[in-house]
Amino acid sequence: EAGVAQSPRYKIIEKRQSVAFWCNPISGHATLYWYQQILGQGPKLLIQFQNNGVVDDSQLPKDRFSAERLKGVDSTLKIQPAKLEDSAVYLCASSQSRVESYEQYFGPGTRLTVT
Amino acid sequence: AQSVAQPEDQVNVAEGNPLTVKCTYSVSGNPYLFWYVQYPNRGLQFLLKYITGDNLVKGSYGFEAEFNKSQTSFHLKKPSALVSDSALYFCAVRVPTNAGKSTFGDGTTLTVKP
Repeated sequence: EAGVAQSPRYKIIEKRQSVAFWCNPISGHATLYWYQQILGQGPKLLIQFQNNGVVDDSQLPKDRFSAERLKGVDSTLKIQPAKLEDSAVYLCASSQSRVESYEQYFGPGTRLTVT
Repeated sequence: AQSVAQPEDQVNVAEGNPLTVKCTYSVSGNPYLFWYVQYPNRGLQFLLKYITGDNLVKGSYGFEAEFNKSQTSFHLKKPSALVSDSALYFCAVRVPTNAGKSTFGDGTTLTVKP
């Protein structure tokens, strides 16, 4: 079974530029999550999708971050414009169901450096 | 608001010795508790979870964890550590209310020395 795929693995941009990250979840997984992991901290949920609908985006900085999952499969997270404090690893995860007892499967992450 | 605390940033043990990585939580309601492991340049990998039932749960690679409701703890344990267990470990909590979001601790780095 293929795992969660993410690209790119690394990205370096200057502040005020834009960037996009792509995620392809495990086949059949209806629930998709985007997390931000700042160095030395645990992952923080940015947005959760159930199929192509948003379940929770309460911690997504909507003035600069956006995400979509148009066909209910792969997803894109965008930052525009980027700030220095956006430097982090962006993790995508998926699970079989939105039910809380299901574990999540994580991709390798995209390490973003904003200079 | 729910929270997770991992009081030790670093745990060092000798190979063959038992290991414990501590986790305490704070939630309203009954928690679902998870442990994940992160190896360098890789995403988090699920180890085990407590949902209900037996307080001692067993997971991958010989790890186990004990749920203690009175102490609001969910410590990760292994009877005999391996050098290959060296990694970053995260505890996470969710509450079963309308797809409640996961809250992660800040992680504990486990180093097992030969």
